[in-house]
Amino acid sequence: DTGVSQDPRHKITKRGQNVTFRCDPISEHNRLYWYRQTLGQGPEFLTYFQNEAQLEKSRLLSDRFSAERPKGSFSTLEIQRTEQGDSAMYLCASSLEGAVSSQYFGPGTRLLVL
Amino acid sequence: DAKTTQPTSMDCAEGRAANLPCNHSTISGNEYVYWYRQIHSQGPQYIIHGLKNNETNEMASLIITEDRKSSTLILPHATLRDTAVYYCIVRPPGAGANSKLTFGKGITLSVRP
Repeated sequence: DTGVSQDPRHKITKRGQNVTFRCDPISEHNRLYWYRQTLGQGPEFLTYFQNEAQLEKSRLLSDRFSAERPKGSFSTLEIQRTEQGDSAMYLCASSLEGAVSSQYFGPGTRLLVL
Repeated sequence: DAKTTQPTSMDCAEGRAANLPCNHSTISGNEYVYWYRQIHSQGPQYIIHGLKNNETNEMASLIITEDRKSSTLILPHATLRDTAVYYCIVRPPGAGANSKLTFGKGITLSVRP
């Protein structure tokens, strides 16, 4: 399957620890997005890359969050000093460059902060 | 904020058509209507999108009213695997800030045997 993949699928951590998630987009897609989804809500946009450039960040992305896409391929999302409120599903999506290109989502990483 | 309004939930019988409504009365002339669905514990799945003409693909049909203020997603023969949350999203064309998706709470479709 050549869809979007995310690793790990599940992560349990203690408050105050750092965590890092990885996203591998569909290989020819140069746009990559991160979203966060809490229970009962739709996904919320966090940040967006065009190739290796991070072009937009939501105000939801506090300074404890950092995302990178160093070679324009895979991306990482790091959360420092995790808080219980960070518990959520973190979703990655990718798309082709195009005015109306559709985004294709990975399975998500479910984070639980104890 | 999401620019769409959907009922909270609906159900339909397996094998029957499921018609999922969406209101987007403030849609702009260049904004597209997208539909995604999310099966429990999975990432959202793209279904279909359209601007003003009706669209059909292997998954569903999208009917957009002439004034573009509402649309209906039609699953012609619903199966139990179609049970999911369905999101109707409006999005302008383009890159950058325009390319992100703004999800609401969606409509939960339950297909009963």
